[in-house]
Amino acid sequence: DTAVSQTPKYLVTQMGNDKSIKCEQNLGHDTMYWYKQDSKKFLKIMFSYNNKELIINETVPNRFSPKSPDKAHLNLHINSLELGDSAVYFCASSHTPGLSAYEQYFGPGTRLTVT
Amino acid sequence: RKEVEQDPGPFNVPEGATVAFNCTYSNSASQSFFWYRQDCRKEPKLLMSVYSSGNEDGRFTAQLNRASQYISLLIRDSKLSDSATYLCVVILNAGNNRKLIWGLGTSLAVNP
Repeated sequence: DTAVSQTPKYLVTQMGNDKSIKCEQNLGHDTMYWYKQDSKKFLKIMFSYNNKELIINETVPNRFSPKSPDKAHLNLHINSLELGDSAVYFCASSHTPGLSAYEQYFGPGTRLTVT
Repeated sequence: RKEVEQDPGPFNVPEGATVAFNCTYSNSASQSFFWYRQDCRKEPKLLMSVYSSGNEDGRFTAQLNRASQYISLLIRDSKLSDSATYLCVVILNAGNNRKLIWGLGTSLAVNP
């Protein structure tokens, strides 16, 4: 069984479009994350939700909006896509984060290409 | 100074070699530390947590040096399958905020 799944795996779209990436975890975790990994391989956290509440919101353009309908799902919607949004987006989950509970399980990633 | 720094490598080592990587962090209030492994075009996977007293898991040993503000990962008897990028993660609690800071990773290539 897939622990953290993301759809789609690949997404090619044009500038200006709006797109969504979905993430689901079946691990019973309380916390979910979205990361962006750019071409230089830098992994940067974007958002974190704990029990459907936003707990980490790094500086990202407000074109990016996470939505958590329940604690097993965290979707990422991106408006007005730009060339610089091209990257691999990883979803991850973990148990409620205490200092020792940051073991994160990652989804396979969504490779977004904006043309 | 970057919050978390790693030597990007690549480290090229022969099978059976011992190799060590360091990861330095700038904020002395950093409280939790982890090593992740990322294979090419794959997702990161937790390799091991880093405990204050140091910890070992098979051929892998992780250590924390708070005085010098770095963590290390030692791999003994390298295997071809150890070829990957090794990422360190530092957790910083700052008041009500929690920051997860990832290093850029160190690339390891184990050669036959």
